[in-house]
Amino acid sequence: EAGVTQFPSHSVIEKGQTVTLRCDPISGHDNLYWYRRVMGKEIKFLLHFVKESKQDESGMPNNRFLAERTGGTYSTLKVQPAELEDSGVYFCASSPRVGYGYTFGSGTRLTVV
Amino acid sequence: QKEVEQNSGPLSVPEGAIASLNCTYSDRVSQSFFWYRQYSGKSPELIMSIYSNGDKEDGRFTAQLNKASQYVSLLIRDSQPSDSATYLCAVNSNSGNTPLVFGKGTRLSVIA
Repeated sequence: EAGVTQFPSHSVIEKGQTVTLRCDPISGHDNLYWYRRVMGKEIKFLLHFVKESKQDESGMPNNRFLAERTGGTYSTLKVQPAELEDSGVYFCASSPRVGYGYTFGSGTRLTVV
Repeated sequence: QKEVEQNSGPLSVPEGAIASLNCTYSDRVSQSFFWYRQYSGKSPELIMSIYSNGDKEDGRFTAQLNKASQYVSLLIRDSQPSDSATYLCAVNSNSGNTPLVFGKGTRLSVIA
C-alpha cells in the first residue's frame, strides 16, 4: 500500500511569494489532516478534511492559508502571501476513520526568507 | 486549551536497558492515546495505540494508560541504538472527533 505522499519535500521562497503544498493520502482514507511543526514547538493541528469537506479548520492561523481537497482525493495547502513566521515543516496525515492513529507523510520543509 | 506534556529530554539509556517515556494530558475526557516515533528529518511513525486503562504490549514496547491520573507511558525493553529517536505522545478526545493533540516529544538516546 502506498503511503501518504507530500511534495515538494523542500521549498524556499521569499516573503510575499505564494507557495502551494500538495498531499496525496492513502487511497480510501477519507480523513486528511494538515499539521505544522515550527522549530522548537510541538506539532500543531491546522485542519481536517472528511472527504472533500472541511470538518475542522480551527487551527488555520489566518486567511493567508487556504486548503482544498478536490473530489475527496489529494489536498493542497496554499500560503499567500508567505511571511517569515510561516517557516516550518508541514505534515499531512490520513486515517481511515476518526479515532484511529494517523499515517503521516514525509512533510514539506518550508523556509520563507 | 488542551495540552499534552512530555519531558523533552534527552533521555539517555544504555543498550539493553529499559527506556521509560512519560506523558501527561490535560483533557480529562480524552479517549485515544498514541505513541509516535520520529527519526531526525523523517515523518512521525505510529508505534502504539491504547484506548483503555492498563498495559498493552507489542514486542519490546509496552504502553501504559492511567486515565484517573491522566498519564500515559511507553516502555521500551532491551533498548537498541536504533531506538534512538524522538517519541511523540498524541491524544484525542470526544471519541476521536477532534484532531490529535501532540506533545513536544522526548528525545531518546540509546548508548551502545
